[in-house]
Amino acid sequence: GQQLNQSPQSMFIQEGEDVSMNCTSSSIFNTWLWYKQEPGEGPVLLIALYKAGELTSNGRLTAQFGITRKDSFLNISASIPSDVGIYFCAGPPGTYKYIFGTGTRLKVLA
Amino acid sequence: KAGVTQTPRYLIKTRGQQVTLSCSPISGHRSVSWYQQTPGQGLQFLFEYFSETQRNKGNFPGRFSGRQFSNSRSEMNVSTLELGDSALYLCASSESSYEQYFGPGTRLTVT
Repeated sequence: GQQLNQSPQSMFIQEGEDVSMNCTSSSIFNTWLWYKQEPGEGPVLLIALYKAGELTSNGRLTAQFGITRKDSFLNISASIPSDVGIYFCAGPPGTYKYIFGTGTRLKVLA
Repeated sequence: KAGVTQTPRYLIKTRGQQVTLSCSPISGHRSVSWYQQTPGQGLQFLFEYFSETQRNKGNFPGRFSGRQFSNSRSEMNVSTLELGDSALYLCASSESSYEQYFGPGTRLTVT
């Protein structure tokens, strides 16, 4: 079935560093969503992208909708300890059904 | 507005039993989706309800079912529980279908 591949799977970074992660699909998406999940909680919506090439920011987070419509990228600038968590991409390959990526686990070294 | 609420937060059941989980969406949201999250399979889509109608369904056996009430509250039922059903079950609501807001989940353990 369809899959969303996220990379890297996990990463350790120093506080203050910038972080980049990406998500690729085997098919075209019309919408890309990025979520963050912390232990014991549900995913929290960070950024939604609706147009190929779109670049959207939310504080220190910036996400881009790839021009091929098969990928998306999330960048976090100047990471801080509270950025720890699992970051998921997601999208509706069809009209309403959603699939989520495998997740990127971010660990910050203070 | 209050967020998505799910009850109960934790549940322990025995193989063969059935379970019902409840989700109250954000006020005004008519779409409710359910997901299963496990370490091995990640986040998997179960089904989506909109105005009391199931609009889409993931690849889960018929033991997994759901419904939505006129006030948009939703329930999910799993019958004849198996050990592999142990998971975090997440509910998400949305005004449109795209931007979903998740509840804290129900942690189900099947023994």
